[in-house]
Order: sequence, then structure tokens, then C-alpha cells
Amino acid sequence: DIVMTQTPLSSPVTLGQPASISCRSGQSLVHSDGNTYLSWLQQRPGQPPRLLIYKISNRFSGVPDRFSGSGAGTDFTLKISRVEAEDVGVYYCMQATQFPYTFGQGTKLEIK
Amino acid sequence: EVQLVESGGGLVQPGGSLRLSCAASGFTFSNYAMNWVRQAPGKGLEWVSVISVSGGTSYADSVKGRFTISRDNSKNTLYLQMNSLRAEDTAVYYCATEAPGYFQHWGQGTLVTVSS
Repeated sequence: DIVMTQTPLSSPVTLGQPASISCRSGQSLVHSDGNTYLSWLQQRPGQPPRLLIYKISNRFSGVPDRFSGSGAGTDFTLKISRVEAEDVGVYYCMQATQFPYTFGQGTKLEIK
Repeated sequence: EVQLVESGGGLVQPGGSLRLSCAASGFTFSNYAMNWVRQAPGKGLEWVSVISVSGGTSYADSVKGRFTISRDNSKNTLYLQMNSLRAEDTAVYYCATEAPGYFQHWGQGTLVTVSS
């Protein structure tokens, strides 16, 4: 199984300041079709997960442009340019390159 | 608007069975692979199973041989038959649509509690 490791596990951030979450996979996420199936999900308190970013850096429909994704191979990053109150929640990276699909442990974003 | 509505959760004794359903609307259900993902209380996300457009399936090792995923395209519904349930299967179960390689839409989830 591909292990997904997120850092940090908790991130206290001041409103209006940037935030960054790292995700490292235990092996390359480049699929045989050339795509890298690394996505980022947000889970607000009491809510189901919501897709933010897919294939490393593509923002999903309706996602604010303060969210961005980057990376390649085994190292990926989610950045929030200016944190807003509604961004509080847990963020997960997920790989769908190889079965079983696997998630990172989650990073809890909270406001200082 | 895409809607996924899970149902069928509840309290079941260890060793028992349960069938979850996920009713889909707002998109062409038969064109999408569908997944089940679960989340134990206070824990992270765990992928459970996928069924492709053509009906091919894959399972997490933790449920292989006990859970069966299926779909009825005529009813726009996804199912998860869960047998030989264990305490560690206690979780909120979400269904999710899959474009190749990512989960675009998620349901609200249904809670399964396995306890005597």
C-alpha cells in the first residue's frame, strides 16, 4: 500500500496569513497513463469531505483561488494564500494512482 | 445539482449484516465509477471499495471477503452489502463519485455502529 504522510498534523494560523500543508507518498504517484492522481480534500467540522484540488494542482469547481496545489513524484503541497475563518477544518491528501486508494492522516487547520 | 444520499446505516450486533444504499441524482450515474469511503469516530478517512462503470470492483484488505459493492444503473443507486460485521467497522460511510483518479462529489454519510 502507498503510505501518505502529512505534515504538520496541526496548523494554528492567524486570519489573513498563509498556510501550507505537505504530503509525501511512499512511492511515486505517477500513473502508467502519465497522470499523477494526488488530490486534496477539506473536511469542515460536521461535514463530509469536499474536493479542493485534483491531479496535483487543478482547482475543483467553486474552490476559491486562494487554494493552490503543487508538487511532483512523491512530494506535494497545499497552500492557502490568506486563511479565512471558513477554512477551519481538516485537510487530507489522497492518492488514487494505485489500489488501495489511501489518504494522509489529516492536518487540522485552526485559527490562532 | 449532484446529490448523493446514503441510507441503511444503524446499530447492528457483531457478526451481523447491513446493506447501505447511495441514491444518486443530478448526473448520469452510469458514466461514473463510484466509491465507498468510511470514517471511524474521531478518525481519518479510509477507502473501502470502488465499482467501475463496467462493474469491475476493488476492495480494501480490511473488508475483502466480507463486503460487496454493487450498482443498479436503472435505479441510479450504489450499494454496499456488509456481512460479518466487526466493532472496527463502526464508522460513517460515505459514497463518492469518481472521475478517473479523484472523488468529485460526496454524500452526507450514514452511520454504522457495530456493538452488542
